[in-house]
Amino acid sequence: EIVLTQSPGTLSLSPGERATLSCRASQSVNSNYLAWYQQKPGRAPRLLIYGASIRATGIPDRLSGGGSGTDFTLTISTLEPEDSAVYYCQQYGNSPRTFGQGTKLEIK
Amino acid sequence: EVQLVESGGGLVQPGGSLRLSCAASGFTFSGFAMSWVRQAPGKGLECISTITNGGQTTYDADSVKGRFTISRDNPKNTLYLQLSSLSGEDTAIYYCAKVNSAYVYGYGGGLFDFWGQGTLVTVSS
Repeated sequence: EIVLTQSPGTLSLSPGERATLSCRASQSVNSNYLAWYQQKPGRAPRLLIYGASIRATGIPDRLSGGGSGTDFTLTISTLEPEDSAVYYCQQYGNSPRTFGQGTKLEIK
Repeated sequence: EVQLVESGGGLVQPGGSLRLSCAASGFTFSGFAMSWVRQAPGKGLECISTITNGGQTTYDADSVKGRFTISRDNPKNTLYLQLSSLSGEDTAIYYCAKVNSAYVYGYGGGLFDFWGQGTLVTVSS
């Protein structure tokens, strides 16, 4: 089973700053099938990025995904208050599919 | 617009049973695999059951194998999860999630492109 380790656990930044979230896999993710989801309090997760770098429909271009193999990142270039949420990565290229433990992003 | 609406959650005693439903609309339900993903209070996401588009194959996590049964009724555009032998560890929000492909190979679902709002299951005496 691929273990996904997200860092940092919590990130506290101000509006307008840049956020970089990391997701490291215990082994290489097949075909870079790595997704990012955003979950706001009391809400269901929402797909942001798939295939490591492809934005889902309706996701603004200030969010971007990168990386390959075992190291992946989600970058939010200019933070807005609405970005406050927990972000999860998921690998869906290997069985069993697995989620990371999440990074909580706080906007000051 | 894709919509997934779960129902059937509630308070149940340890050892009890419950059936969750997920009504789907806005897409060709029979064309996609579906999963149930749960989230215990303050915890992360766990895909517990997946069913292929035609219902021919199901995958269950070890944590629920033999206790939970996923099924679907394609003409009714509805996904189900039958829960039995419940314990406190099953207390969670249960989400239904659409997989972005008809078939999955292996465990843990797939790429989840749409999620329902969730239904809370509380197991307590």
